[in-house]
Amino acid sequence: AQSVTQPDIHITVSEGASLELRCNYSYGATPYLFWYVQSPGQGLQLLLKYFSGDTLVQGIKGFEAEFKRSQSSFNLRKPSVHWSDAAEYYCAVGFLSGSARQLTFGSGTQLTVLP
Amino acid sequence: DGGITQSPKYLFRKEGQNVTLSCEQNLNHDAMYWYRQDPGQGLRLIYYSQIVNDFQKGDIAEGYSVSREKKESFPLTVTSAQKNPTAFYLCATGQNQPQHFGDGTRLSIL
Repeated sequence: AQSVTQPDIHITVSEGASLELRCNYSYGATPYLFWYVQSPGQGLQLLLKYFSGDTLVQGIKGFEAEFKRSQSSFNLRKPSVHWSDAAEYYCAVGFLSGSARQLTFGSGTQLTVLP
Repeated sequence: DGGITQSPKYLFRKEGQNVTLSCEQNLNHDAMYWYRQDPGQGLRLIYYSQIVNDFQKGDIAEGYSVSREKKESFPLTVTSAQKNPTAFYLCATGQNQPQHFGDGTRLSIL
């Protein structure tokens, strides 16, 4: 069965510092991978996705992620964090269930940004 | 303006009562999904529908029911059989997989 692990429950960084959020997955086939961001009381916004091709994926809001098959990882990065980036971040793996594609989510990483 | 509309934003349920959460989309997506979100547990799939008049159970379907009479609408009913309904409920749509999410409905017990 597929699974997603986000090892860091909570990360705190200073504004302007770099950021890396970790994501490890377990899936028997080639994965479809996603990163979402959620502000309090809101839905999820898609930051970026990886289906195939270039393993370095660019997303919105200056985020990028790198797919490393050998490490089963899809870490999210940002070179300089802004206070508005404070939110909950979810990694997800897409998989086929019968004829339907679904997502399995990690448990999330809460990002706090210090001024 | 295309998007997903979930209503109400907040909902309260009394013991023994069924309540229905609305999800409407104008993105023309075939697939619609309902997720439940609890603190520290991420999102768990309740039901999903790939086409009109067809839907399948997800990982935690017990105590919930859905219908898909129109492409645009996928309401979720939380029945009295769901003993722990307090949670944040998210609706999602996608052409091939869930990608776009609504702003959610927070359900609480009175």
